[in-house]
Amino acid sequence: ETGVTQTPRHLVMGMTNKKSLKCEQHLGHNAMYWYKQSAKKPLELMFVYSLEERVENNSVPSRFSPECPNSSHLFLHLHTLQPEDSALYLCASRPSSQWDYGYTFGSGTRLTVV
Amino acid sequence: KQEVTQIPAALSVPEGENLVLNCSFTDSAIYNLQWFRQDPGKGLTSLLLIQSSQREQTSGRLNASLDKSSGRSTLYIAASQPGDSATYLCAVKSAFGSSNTGKLIFGQGTTLQVKP
Repeated sequence: ETGVTQTPRHLVMGMTNKKSLKCEQHLGHNAMYWYKQSAKKPLELMFVYSLEERVENNSVPSRFSPECPNSSHLFLHLHTLQPEDSALYLCASRPSSQWDYGYTFGSGTRLTVV
Repeated sequence: KQEVTQIPAALSVPEGENLVLNCSFTDSAIYNLQWFRQDPGKGLTSLLLIQSSQREQTSGRLNASLDKSSGRSTLYIAASQPGDSATYLCAVKSAFGSSNTGKLIFGQGTTLQVKP
């Protein structure tokens, strides 16, 4: 375990469903990230939160809605997704005040939209 | 716009061989470069982090080098083992906007298979 925990590990949902992905870290980090990894494509940054404030929305469709209630938790709320949204969703964290610190990733949630 | 390229996309070697994975990036204004390992269907495990002021980092059988001016990094794996089979990802950290959180930009990875 890296210290960043993602749940669930696997999720299958219909296009009309509403679900949420959860990320949790107790590393004392205060910057958290959502990345999307689709087949045959590099990881794509979706959202960045620093000190619980969203500082980046990388042109992500509104059917993805992030939430960061505190510096230890990050959610990705999903609704009316499309089959092309099927991917591995990865959460990462790092200390926002330390430029030279690396990123710690979770194990990801494998999402399948049917 | 920063772009990261990894060559080769796939590599198959016999056990015991030394090998080099390559990573190149288009904008040399980076803060650091991080190598990750990803097993099939799993998350990312950080292997090595090289700051922009550093030339190399070593961890066990792994050695990563960085030549910022030429936009290149290599990951050297000594005496490869079947357990090294995985996808290796290179990522550079670039700044964006007024936030100090930075942005990690990934290559597509090199999938390594080490045969017994």
